[in-house]
Amino acid sequence: EIVVTQSPGTLSVSPGERATLSCRASQSLSSSLAWYQQKPGQAPRLLIYGASTRATAIPARFSGSGSATEFTLTISSLQSEDFAVYYCQQYNNWPLTFGGGTKLEIK
Amino acid sequence: EVQLVESGGGLVQPGGSLRLSCAASGFIFSHYGMTWVRQAPGKGLEWVSGTSGDDSRTNYADSVKGRFIISRDKSKNMLYLQMNSLRAEDTAIYYCAKAYASDWFFFDYWGQGSLVIVSS
Repeated sequence: EIVVTQSPGTLSVSPGERATLSCRASQSLSSSLAWYQQKPGQAPRLLIYGASTRATAIPARFSGSGSATEFTLTISSLQSEDFAVYYCQQYNNWPLTFGGGTKLEIK
Repeated sequence: EVQLVESGGGLVQPGGSLRLSCAASGFIFSHYGMTWVRQAPGKGLEWVSGTSGDDSRTNYADSVKGRFIISRDKSKNMLYLQMNSLRAEDTAIYYCAKAYASDWFFFDYWGQGSLVIVSS
């Protein structure tokens, strides 16, 4: 099973600033990594797939980068609606696995 | 508009069984992989099971293998998760989700979830 580790567990950032979230895999994923956003009481929302491709209707302030075992989600200028929990998910191998999540909170 | 609506959750005793259903609409159901993902209270996401668009490949997390069965009825646009030998640690919100494509297993649409509580 591929283990996916997210860091940090919690990130405190002020609105308007940049946030950088990390995701590390225990073995190479090529670019088979997705990012999701989840707000309280809601289902997850797909943000990024293929490590760097934005999903439909996702604002340009969200960007993904990386390959193999190291990946990053960057939110360039945080808006109030961006404070949520973010998960990465690998789909290179079965079983599929999610990271433990990064909670992005207002500083 | 793509819609996924789960049903069938509830309270069940340890060792019991439950079948979750997911009604899909707004897309050609038989063309897409589907999955179940769960989230225990206050915890992160855990992938449970998935099936490819043609149902030739089904997979399970080790934590549910041998106890849960994923299936679908393409004539009714329904996805199911048969859960047997339930344990307290199976307590979670269960989401069904649509894969981006037949064999691309990341998920672009999600239902709102169905709560399963395993307790005596």
